[in-house]
Amino acid sequence: GAGVSQSPSNKVTEKGKDVELRCDPISGHTALYWYRQRLGQGLEFLIYFQGNSAPDKSGLPSDRFSAERTGESVSTLTIQRTQQEDSAVYLCASSFGGGAKTGELFFGEGSRLTVL
Amino acid sequence: DQQVKQNSPSLSVQEGRISILNCDYTNSMFDYFLWYKKYPAEGPTFLISISSIKDKNEDGRFTVFLNKSAKHLSLHIVPSQPGDSAVYFCAALSLMDSNYQLIWGAGTKLIIKP
Repeated sequence: GAGVSQSPSNKVTEKGKDVELRCDPISGHTALYWYRQRLGQGLEFLIYFQGNSAPDKSGLPSDRFSAERTGESVSTLTIQRTQQEDSAVYLCASSFGGGAKTGELFFGEGSRLTVL
Repeated sequence: DQQVKQNSPSLSVQEGRISILNCDYTNSMFDYFLWYKKYPAEGPTFLISISSIKDKNEDGRFTVFLNKSAKHLSLHIVPSQPGDSAVYFCAALSLMDSNYQLIWGAGTKLIIKP
């Protein structure tokens, strides 16, 4: 696709349920990021993939969060047993490898998660 | 511990005048500083960046100034246009971070008045 695509754009779920968020990066982009933005705050780093591997998962807020990437393309962010504090916009970004080293990322429109 | 701070939540500027957005940081090891622009219901888009070895970078109406001794950078937009109304995020990157993660400020909402 022409840009980074994320789905769903909006998700409302009940506390305790699992959710899965999907990101389709720009074709050929080897670097993929997940960030989270809570209301009125800056973006919070979650995880970085170079190809299919994530060298450091320490940015994930808790063990309820997991992410994977397959085929150096699609990535999914899974939140298990959602809590109200998980409510946020989850943003995916991609870049060619060199772009990650200069911070020039291409963002999707985000998935807005609301946990009731 | 906020490493990147944008102390003005909002800024209102008359169309045609200069808009100046400010950002302060605490980590002297940052290698790049970036400005992203965000419209409602869209993801941030990259606007302009500056390497830590420079003090100015200009791209059309947008100029970023870096004052390393003060750990301060600013984005100047001149002349301001209605389409510039958006939230502007300052972000910083350290190449020592193997994740190349951007550290973000909270954003400044810029409103351009006609």
